[in-house]
Amino acid sequence: TQLLEQSPQFLSIQEGENLTVYCNSSSVFSSLQWYRQEPGEGPVLLVTVVTGGEVKKLKRLTFQFGDARKDSSLHITAAQPGDTGLYLCAGARETSGSRLTFGEGTQLTVNP
Amino acid sequence: NAGVTQTPKFQVLKTGQSMTLQCAQDMNHEYMSWYRQDPGMGLRLIHYSVGAGITDQGEVPNGYNVSRSTTEDFPLRLLSAAPSQTSVYFCASHPWVTGTDTQYFGPGTRLTVL
Repeated sequence: TQLLEQSPQFLSIQEGENLTVYCNSSSVFSSLQWYRQEPGEGPVLLVTVVTGGEVKKLKRLTFQFGDARKDSSLHITAAQPGDTGLYLCAGARETSGSRLTFGEGTQLTVNP
Repeated sequence: NAGVTQTPKFQVLKTGQSMTLQCAQDMNHEYMSWYRQDPGMGLRLIHYSVGAGITDQGEVPNGYNVSRSTTEDFPLRLLSAAPSQTSVYFCASHPWVTGTDTQYFGPGTRLTVL
């Protein structure tokens, strides 16, 4: 059983559409990070959220940390083909120091 | 800075063979980790190190050994390769143990065990 569950696992949309990816857990995390990974490369950090209810924006991407720090969402507005990639959420628990637990990932394809 | 480098990029092994995956970073980061990535399972932590001479097990350590003799290098050794170890392996580093630091990942090693 994954500690962090992401949904959906696959998402294929048309350019210009909006989408939301979810990252859920029954555990509390002291911080949560979102990474994006392109084929043949390692993940690259997009954002870190640490406060319950926190919202961060990165251009067309909006990240939210749940009030109880058990879940997070990534919303993309007006998706573009350049947004295509694997999106991974990763959480750090207070009892695990800096060790990250990763979700399964969401493979996003944005078609032109 | 080269960041995190990994070699080789690709490797094919036969069952029972041993090999070492190399990882090096030039950012003077204390914390380094090894992950494996399998389809539908995200990244799983194999071993990690919080500094030279200090290593610890992660979520899936069986069949792997690590050592950290210098801050820069963190090799991962497969003692006797098994088909279940077919995966993509990523090394990562970050500067401090807070959980909010950016982890910098290498480009990965794609390993196939026949």
